[in-house]
Amino acid sequence: SAVISQKPSRDICQRGTSLTIQCQVDSQVTMMFWYRQQPGQSLTLIATANQGSEATYESGFVIDKFPISRPNLTFSTLTVSNMSPEDSSIYLCSVEGDNTGELFFGEGSRLTVL
Amino acid sequence: RKEVEQDPGPFNVPEGATVAFNCTYSNSASQSFFWYRQDCRKEPKLLMSVYSSGNEDGRFTAQLNRASQYISLLIRDSKLSDSATYLCVVNNGNQFYFGTGTSLTVIP
Repeated sequence: SAVISQKPSRDICQRGTSLTIQCQVDSQVTMMFWYRQQPGQSLTLIATANQGSEATYESGFVIDKFPISRPNLTFSTLTVSNMSPEDSSIYLCSVEGDNTGELFFGEGSRLTVL
Repeated sequence: RKEVEQDPGPFNVPEGATVAFNCTYSNSASQSFFWYRQDCRKEPKLLMSVYSSGNEDGRFTAQLNRASQYISLLIRDSKLSDSATYLCVVNNGNQFYFGTGTSLTVIP
């Protein structure tokens, strides 16, 4: 299994500001995933963070809005830029288990934009 | 069409009841299947993987029907602690897809 630490666990931000979420994994992983879970909704993949190359973004998500860093095999950050109330959501970092194929999640970062 | 579809519920059942959830997926080439549990304000956690032969873990039984492209989860002898949202998750080899979740409340 993988242990994933995310921070901040929650934050309240003003419209127009940016917030960077950090994700630390206790083992080296090739890919790290960033998901968004809006209130009452399921998880939507924002992007896949690859070490040594640019992140791969899903349809509807762009690098300017959600820049991602992946400086090494155990760490990644997701920035939510120029926030609006529609960005209020839980943001989850995730990695895939090597042997089981399951996804492990960080505890999530609950963001509220006023 | 959504990749994964679930009945959102809510399911409100008395303690001791048996409850079943179903989930359908659209991609016949999907390779792996899971049920996750998500408690309120918490991250999803794996409940069980779903194998073609079906699998059981205590009070929980998961089944996969590839021909009809659906997955089921059966919970027997429901406990209060089973109250949560149950997410159906499918991996098509490239990406994981999540259902919207089925809400279960077990009532004393």
